[in-house]
Amino acid sequence: DIQMTQSPSSLSASVGDSVTITCRASQDINSYLNWYQQKPGTAPNLLIHAASTLQSGVPSRFSGSGSGTDYTLTISSLQPEDFATFYCQQSYSAPNTFGQGTKLEI
Amino acid sequence: DVQLVESGGVVIQPGGSLRLSCAASGFDFNDYRMHWVRQVPGKGLEWVSRISWDGSSIDYADSIKGRFTISRDNSKSSLYLQMNSLRPEDTAFYYCARGGYGSCLDFWGQGTLVTVSS
Repeated sequence: DIQMTQSPSSLSASVGDSVTITCRASQDINSYLNWYQQKPGTAPNLLIHAASTLQSGVPSRFSGSGSGTDYTLTISSLQPEDFATFYCQQSYSAPNTFGQGTKLEI
Repeated sequence: DVQLVESGGVVIQPGGSLRLSCAASGFDFNDYRMHWVRQVPGKGLEWVSRISWDGSSIDYADSIKGRFTISRDNSKSSLYLQMNSLRPEDTAFYYCARGGYGSCLDFWGQGTLVTVSS
């Protein structure tokens, strides 16, 4: 199984800051890397698929990059509604494993 | 609009069986792979299973293999998860999700809570 390692596990930032979350796969996943945002008490929401493609309706301050085993999610100019937990997921091969999550706090 | 509505979550004793359902609407269910994902309250996401559009290809997480069975009924636009030999560690919110481009999970249901406890 492919292991996904996210860092950091938690992050403190302020409105207007830019932050970066990283995700490392245990093997090459050929950009089959997705990012989700989850707010308390709600289902996850897809932000980015295929490493860098922004899902429809997601603000452009969210961006993704990476290839091979290493990927990043960047949020520029943080807004109050961005504070949540973020997960990466590989969809290269089953089981489609998730990272352990990164909690972004004010 | 795409909607996924899970049902079937209850409190059940260890060793018991349960079937979760997910009713889909707002899209052509026949065209999409579907997934189950679970989340222990306060913890991270765990991918559980997926099924191809026609049911011919199925995959499971090791943690539930041999105990859970995914299935679908395209005539009813419904996805199912049969859960047998339930354990306390299966306690979680269970989400169904639509498989989008590259098997990302582009739409999610609101989740249903399964509690395995004596």
